Amino acid sequence: SQQGEEDPQALSIQEGENATMNCSYKTSINNLQWYRQNSGRGLVHLILIRSNEREKHSGRLRVTLDTSKKSSSLLITASRAADTASYFCATEKNFGNEKLTFGTGTRLTIIP
Amino acid sequence: GAGVSQSPRYKVAKRGQDVALRCDPISGHVSLFWYQQALGQGPEFLTYFQNEAQLDKSGLPSDRFFAERPEGSVSTLKIQRTQQEDSAVYLCASSSAGTNYEQYFGPGTRLTVT
Repeated sequence: SQQGEEDPQALSIQEGENATMNCSYKTSINNLQWYRQNSGRGLVHLILIRSNEREKHSGRLRVTLDTSKKSSSLLITASRAADTASYFCATEKNFGNEKLTFGTGTRLTIIP
Repeated sequence: GAGVSQSPRYKVAKRGQDVALRCDPISGHVSLFWYQQALGQGPEFLTYFQNEAQLDKSGLPSDRFFAERPEGSVSTLKIQRTQQEDSAVYLCASSSAGTNYEQYFGPGTRLTVT
């Protein structure tokens, strides 16, 4: 079963604009990760935020985590056509078992 | 070094056939995972190995699914008597041992059961 839900399910924006995707999850976690998947290809890890962290940056990516609300957001600034992809949040729940529970994904389309 | 590789990339099987999907993890990675991804959905966990030990197989949907990693490196996911609902992309991932490490995914094997 899927742990998380992303919203929106689909998002289309103009190149250069910022894109924000949200993720909610149900149980306590050890960390939350965001992955990108281009059409027909494997998943690529973007960023990992631990449960004791509230915000993390990597290049044009900014992730926040609110464990009290069991939610996270991914912000992509100054979007590019190459950012077109599906984005998934995934949670790692337990120490000693690093399996990931993925959300349903947000399909992001950047319009040139 | 090389990333995670999977073979075959595409597999078409007639219903009732057995299939074997192979995963070559990144060299030295202790942890190996299999996930199943249905069209338009996020990946769902199937099973997890640490070296050759299968520590979690709670996600395997039925006893027709079997995975092994006999020498703690290459892994094979076997599906017996395939059914149409087994059609999906099967993703393999590997990571360093321990928590708070990212997983590196292979390109997946797209299985179509006709």
